Amino acid sequence: DQQVKQNSPSLSVQEGRISILNCDYTNSMFDYFLWYKKYPAEGPTFLISISSIKDKNEDGRFTVFLNKSAKHLSLHIVPSQPGDSAVYFCAAIGASGSRLTFGEGTQLTVNP
Amino acid sequence: DSGVTQTPKHLITATGQRVTLRCSPRSGDLSVYWYQQSLDQGLQFLIQYYNGEERAKGNILERFSAQQFPDLHSELNLSSLELGDSALYFCASSSTTGGGGYTFGSGTRLTVV
Repeated sequence: DQQVKQNSPSLSVQEGRISILNCDYTNSMFDYFLWYKKYPAEGPTFLISISSIKDKNEDGRFTVFLNKSAKHLSLHIVPSQPGDSAVYFCAAIGASGSRLTFGEGTQLTVNP
Repeated sequence: DSGVTQTPKHLITATGQRVTLRCSPRSGDLSVYWYQQSLDQGLQFLIQYYNGEERAKGNILERFSAQQFPDLHSELNLSSLELGDSALYFCASSSTTGGGGYTFGSGTRLTVV
């Protein structure tokens, strides 16, 4: 049972444009959501998070939007840069802890 | 350097063998998590330890086991290895039992031949 799904395995955008990565979840008990970025030969690194009591969180070029009624979140990167090319994982956790549930990841490629 | 150290970085072994993957968490972190990433798959949760005790179990095979030692480092033991066990194995640590973000190590790439 895949409780966190990223339906797009890959996304390609031009430098300077907006990148939008999407994530859907099924477990209504999730109350905290995170995005991780992963470069080849490295472990995932934390990027940005959002609590279920919010619908938006912004950090520089990165903004995460949460639509609880649709059980959907998205990560916007504006403007996109070639260095943003990586695999992006969506993750979620419930109030009881204890571990993150990850999506399958989306490979973002930003073309110069 | 994330502060989470995983050794070895690469491991090639034959089917039927047993291997041990090691993880040293970030200083001060009491929780250790193990995840498996197979080809084209997301990160699958295997097991969590908190301060030496098993806290949660995910899709971990019976051939796999783990432990966390008094110095908080953790080992993941994989036995009777099969070709399908070839994957990246990540360790992560956090300062609490859950919530918030984890800090991941760079992973161990296991290849079973």
